[in-house]
Amino acid sequence: DIQMTQSPSSLSASVRDRVTITCRASQSISTYLNWYQQKPGKAPKLLIYAASSLHSGVPSRFSGGGSGTDFTLTISSLQPEDFATYYCQQSYSTPYTFGQGTKVEIK
Amino acid sequence: QVQLQESGPGLVKPSGTLSLTCAVSGGSISSSNWWSWVRQPPGKGLEWIGEIYHSGNIHYNPSLKSRVTMSVDKSKNQFSLKLSSVTAADTAVYYCARIRYSGNDRWFDPWGQGTLVTVSS
Repeated sequence: DIQMTQSPSSLSASVRDRVTITCRASQSISTYLNWYQQKPGKAPKLLIYAASSLHSGVPSRFSGGGSGTDFTLTISSLQPEDFATYYCQQSYSTPYTFGQGTKVEIK
Repeated sequence: QVQLQESGPGLVKPSGTLSLTCAVSGGSISSSNWWSWVRQPPGKGLEWIGEIYHSGNIHYNPSLKSRVTMSVDKSKNQFSLKLSSVTAADTAVYYCARIRYSGNDRWFDPWGQGTLVTVSS
């Protein structure tokens, strides 16, 4: 199985801060990498697919990058509604696997 | 737009079988999509269980393969999950999701709201 490791596991930030979350794969996965946002008690929602493609309806302050084994999710200006847990997920091969999550909290 | 809704018992006894259904609305289960189950133990991360195509093609997570059965009911526009020999470790919120793809890229969207299944006597 491909292991996905996110860092940090949690972070505290203020509104309007720039936030970057990193995801590392245990082997090269090209750009077969997706990002999801999950709020407490809710299902995950797709933010970014294919490493850098913004899902329809997702604000442009979210962006994704990377290829191979190293990927990033960046929120350019953190908004109150962005406080949530973020997961990366590889779709290079089954079993699809997720990172352990990064919880973004209010400072 | 496609919407998914999970249903099934919220409590299953140890060694029993967990059975869930995902109803698809706003689109046909026979469209060119795969359909999937993902679970999340309380306070923990996400685990992919498996995926199924309307033709019956299936891929399971090897970690659960011996206990999982997925199926599609085209007449009801729904797909199902059965997980046998459950233990407390199978207590989780179970989500169904559509897998969209473009070329070799694939992603989960949308997701159902999720249903909590507790394994307890």
